[in-house]
Formats: sequence, structure tokens, C-alpha cells
Amino acid sequence: EIVLTQSPATLSLSPGERATLSCRASQSLTSYLAWYQQKPGQAPRLLIYDISKKATGIPARFSGSGSGTDFTLTISSLEPEDFAVYYCQQRANWPLTFGGGTKVEIK
Amino acid sequence: QVQLVESGGGLVKPGGSLRLSCAASGFTFSGYYMSWIRQAPGKGLEWISFITGSGDVIKYADSVRGRFTISRDNAKNSLSLQMDSLRADDTAVYYCARGYASTWGPFDYWGQGTLVTVSS
Repeated sequence: EIVLTQSPATLSLSPGERATLSCRASQSLTSYLAWYQQKPGQAPRLLIYDISKKATGIPARFSGSGSGTDFTLTISSLEPEDFAVYYCQQRANWPLTFGGGTKVEIK
Repeated sequence: QVQLVESGGGLVKPGGSLRLSCAASGFTFSGYYMSWIRQAPGKGLEWISFITGSGDVIKYADSVRGRFTISRDNAKNSLSLQMDSLRADDTAVYYCARGYASTWGPFDYWGQGTLVTVSS
């Protein structure tokens, strides 16, 4: 099973600041890495897939990068609605797995 | 618009059974792979089962294999999850999710979730 380790667990930032979230895989994922945003009481929302492709309707401030086993989700300038939990997910191998999540909270 | 609506959750005793359903609309259901994903209270996401559009390929996480059964009825645009031998650690919100662009993932649409509580 591919283990995804997200860091940090919590990121305390102010609106307008840049957020950098990390996801490290226990083995190479080729390009099969996605990111989701989840707000309390809501289902996750797909943000990024295949490392850097934006899902429909996702604002330009969200971007994904990385390769092999190290991946990054960047939010260039945090908006109030961006404070949430973010998960990475791989589909390179079965079982499909998610990272443990990074909570982006208001400082 | 794409909609996924889960139902069937509730309170069940350990060892009991429950059947979840997911009603799909707004897209050609048979053309998409579907998955069930769960989230224990205050915890992260766990993928638990997958089925192709025709139902010919099925996958399970080790945590549910042999106890849960995924199925679909393309004529009724419906996805199901039969859950048997339920345990306390199966307590979670269960989401159905659609595989993006007819693949096994990522998941581009999710239902609102249905809560399953396993407790005596």
C-alpha cells in the first residue's frame, strides 16, 4: 500500500499569505496525484488532479507541482474561503489512498 | 447537473448489516467508474471500494474485503454498498464518488454522505 504523508498537520496563516502544503509518497506515483479541499460538514471537493491539472471551476490561486514521490499544493494568496482541510490522494496503485490531511487555519 | 445522493445510513449493532444506496443523476451513469469512500468522525478519508461502469471489475480495501459488497444497477442509475458483519470501527460518513473522466480516480463529484453508526 502506498502511504501518503502530508505536512504540516496544521498551517496557521493570515488571509493574503501564501500556503505551501506537502504530500510525500512511499513510492513513485508517476503523475497520479490529486488534491481535495474539505470544509466542515461538507464533502471533499476536487482541486487538482494528475499533479498540476486544475479541476473545473478551481481558482487560479491554486496550483499543484511535484514529481515522483514529492508533491506540493500551493495557494498563492489565501482567501477567507480557503481555510479548510486539504487531502492528497493517489491512484497509482491499489488500494487508492489518501494522506492524513493538512488543516489550513486562520492565524 | 451531476448529483449523487446517498441514503441508507443509520444506527446498527455490531455484527449487523446495512445497505447503502447512491442515486445518480445528471450524467450517463453507466459510463463512469464509481467508488465508496468513508470518513470516521474527526478523521481522514479512506477509500473502501470501486466498481467499473459495467461492473466487471471490483476492488476493495483490506479493511472491508469479505464483509462489504459493492454493486450497481445501471438501469436505475444506482450504486449500492451491502455492509455485513459491521464493527465499531466501521462508524463513519460514507460517500459515493464518481471517477473523473471515466477513470478510477480522481473523484470529481461526491455525494453529501450518509452516516453509519455501529454501536450496541
